This record gives sequence, C-alpha cells and structure tokens, in this order.
Amino acid sequence: EVQLVESGGGLVQPGRSLRLSCAASGFSFDDYAMHWVRQIPGKGLEWVSGVSWNNNSVAYADSVKGRFAISRDNAKSSLYLQMNNLRVEDTAFYYCAKGVTQYQLLYFDYWGQGSLVTVSS
Amino acid sequence: DIVMTQSPDSLAVSLGERATINCKSSQSVLYNSNNKNYLAWYQQKPGQPPRLLLYWASSRESGVPDRISGSGSGTDFTLTISSLQADDVAVYYCQQYYRTPLTFGGGTKVEIK
Repeated sequence: EVQLVESGGGLVQPGRSLRLSCAASGFSFDDYAMHWVRQIPGKGLEWVSGVSWNNNSVAYADSVKGRFAISRDNAKSSLYLQMNNLRVEDTAFYYCAKGVTQYQLLYFDYWGQGSLVTVSS
Repeated sequence: DIVMTQSPDSLAVSLGERATINCKSSQSVLYNSNNKNYLAWYQQKPGQPPRLLLYWASSRESGVPDRISGSGSGTDFTLTISSLQADDVAVYYCQQYYRTPLTFGGGTKVEIK
C-alpha cells in the first residue's frame, strides 16, 4: 500500500524558514517523480514544486521560486521542501504527492494527508 | 502559465441524475506528437486529500466507478457523473500537465439537491 506521510509543519513567523519532510513507503520511491501541492484551508489547489527521480530536474511555481527548494533522498525514500523567507500567504496545507513517471512532471496518483504550515507573527 | 477555468463553481443535482462539470484551458493541452490531452481530474471530499479520478482527459484510474467519465480535447473538457450517488458529494478539480507550472482549475462543488 502506498503511503506518504508529511511532517515538519507548524507555526512560524514571517521571514523565517521551515523544512517539510515526506516519508514514502509501499512503492519503489526512486522510480517516480515527486511533488508538493498546497491548499489554503477552504480554497483550491496550487502546485508548488516537482522533482524528477534523480533530483536532476526540478520546477517551481512562480509564487515560491527563489524561496523554496525541493529535494529528495532516495536512500531514505524521503522528499523535502525547504521553505525560506516565509510569507503570510504561504499559510496552507502542504501535500506530498507521487508522480507517475521518473522524469516528466505530470499528474499525481497518490497524496499524503497534508501538513499545515501557518505563517503568522 | 496555462490558466484553467472551471464552471460552474457549484451545482446541486438530484440523486440518480447527471452532473456535468466543465474545464477550459487558456491554451491547448493536446500534444500533437502523441495525440494525448494532458489533463487530469481529481475528487476531494471534506477533510481528505484529493483523489485521482481521470488522466489523459478520459482514462479512468483504477477503482473509479464507470459512472464517472471524462471527455473533450484541446481546450475544452468535461467530467460527467452519469447517475449521481451520495458518495459523489465532493469538490472536483481539473489539472493540466502540458507544461510547468502545473495548474489546477478553481474547483466545482457538487451537492445533492
């Protein structure tokens, strides 16, 4: 059974940093691209970032480019999102999502339960 | 960026009746070299993460009931629930994966009339 478990969320002040983690199990982690998707409570979905199986190809939403960095550790079956210079508008649930190919960033067939990040002074 | 626009924002349908959700992209998501539409649909119930329903515009994910179907090509797409069940109450999102940044529609809330 595919499982994606996010951790690392919480309350943080504007301008500070936070690192999210996603522990994956139930599939061959290094066979798939991985993504982060966020959702402001009660609002729609926003793709944040995606990474190919080997970290060689990454992409970001314009809203986080230059502030967030995605990475993965295949040996640990883990995905990360380093979030720097956080803004109030980054407040959201952050979902880890599994891609469907190694390289291409396409759609998402499994999602974690989400981790809430609240940016507030 | 490719902008995805869904309509309506919400709809109420009687049990057993048809529900139709539209999704329009600001540019074509049909890749001519393989004749595939780079579009997916998701269902999200309250308190849950999204669930993949359809990909390549009309391919059903494993376990998705056949009353849920997708159609369309290029810039205009439709998700149809042929006979609405109580379990279908949710918000539905379309998503294009033709190019990054990957983008979603704003969502359509489906309720029982």
